Amino acid sequence: EAGVAQSPRYKIIEKRQSVAFWCNPISGHATLYWYQQILGQGPKLLIQFQNNGVVDDSQLPKDRFSAERLKGVDSTLKIQPAKLEDSAVYLCASRPLDRTNSPLHFGNGTRLTVT
Amino acid sequence: SQQGEEDPQALSIQEGENATMNCSYKTSINNLQWYRQNSGRGLVHLILIRSNEREKHSGRLRVTLDTSKKSSSLLITASRAADTASYFCATATLGGNTGKLIFGQGTTLQVKP
Repeated sequence: EAGVAQSPRYKIIEKRQSVAFWCNPISGHATLYWYQQILGQGPKLLIQFQNNGVVDDSQLPKDRFSAERLKGVDSTLKIQPAKLEDSAVYLCASRPLDRTNSPLHFGNGTRLTVT
Repeated sequence: SQQGEEDPQALSIQEGENATMNCSYKTSINNLQWYRQNSGRGLVHLILIRSNEREKHSGRLRVTLDTSKKSSSLLITASRAADTASYFCATATLGGNTGKLIFGQGTTLQVKP
């Protein structure tokens, strides 16, 4: 099966600019996650979708970050305006339904550098 | 917030030796999972252990779970240079949103040929 696809692979922007990331999960996976991974740290959950509904966005900085999952398949994560501290790798992951005892499948991430 | 804390933060061993990484967590869990991340790549699932299990094996991997101490360990036996990566534990909290995985800070493993 094809894996989780993310684009772009890399993005460099100046602070106060906007940026968007795209994720296509594994076909049939109802649950989709966006994680932020700052260099040297573990991934931090930003938002979790089940189909096109939000399950958890408690750690999403909603004043600048937004995410959507139209039609319950692809998802986009947007940052507007970006800050220096947003420099990180943004990882998308998916899993079938919301099955507790199943692993997450990760994409290779988008590395964002804010200058 | 990070749930797990991993120890050590970094580990360097020779090929053929065993590597042990530890993970501690704070709240009651449904399961605990271990992931590997190669440089510049996404995370890859290694093994999942349920809260009612104490030990699990997969190839050269052995995971233990002690829920009374809220800790887990990952043992990689007969390590290879290809095992060089960062390793993360992740917990699914009991109750509430059990689909939410919270990751630790990770252990960076270097295996020297």
